Amino acid sequence: EDQVTQSPEALRLQEGESSSLNCSYTVSGLRGLFWYRQDPGKGPEFLFTLYSAGEEKEKERLKATLTKKESFLHITAPKPEDSATYLCAVQVAGSARQLTFGSGTQLTVLP
Amino acid sequence: GAVVSQHPSWVICKSGTSVKIECRSLDFQATTMFWYRQFPKQSLMLMATSNEGSKATYEQGVEKDKFLINHASLTLSTLTVTSAHPEDSSFYICSARDEGGGEKLFFGSGTQLSVL
Repeated sequence: EDQVTQSPEALRLQEGESSSLNCSYTVSGLRGLFWYRQDPGKGPEFLFTLYSAGEEKEKERLKATLTKKESFLHITAPKPEDSATYLCAVQVAGSARQLTFGSGTQLTVLP
Repeated sequence: GAVVSQHPSWVICKSGTSVKIECRSLDFQATTMFWYRQFPKQSLMLMATSNEGSKATYEQGVEKDKFLINHASLTLSTLTVTSAHPEDSSFYICSARDEGGGEKLFFGSGTQLSVL
């Protein structure tokens, strides 16, 4: 069974305190790994797609990396506006192209 | 980027009534849309895959007679919660893929359903 596990469940950082969120996955065949940001009461907002081990993508203070077993979302010098729930999802090869989501990491950045 | 519009944002209804949620792709065509359900502080759970011009594909454990999905055009899918009960209260989110934009899914803003 395909599984996606995110850790930690919740993370509180001081403004400027860099950290990483983890997404580990067990799937029969990875087609793509996705990172989304979700604000309360809103739908997920797309951040990154990673397709193969060793791939990295950056956007402002965020950097996503991928290995054969996990992905990391690195947050450098976060700001309070980065506070949100970060969701990791996988698309499995041979599936109907839907996404399987992890439970998310709720990030709070304190000023 | 591609935009998916979901309506209404929130709805309160009495137990036993039916509620329809609309999901539109505004600037692209989507042959496939997905409907998710999310409980507080939990992740998104796929309910069904909506296919334009054909029957939806439901995930195991999702009642097809309770959650009616219609994908009448390439830009519109609807989810109707029939005879809603308090346990159906949840956050419902639709998503669609821009076929010309790679594999990423674009999500609607979600609908918070509260059944009294």
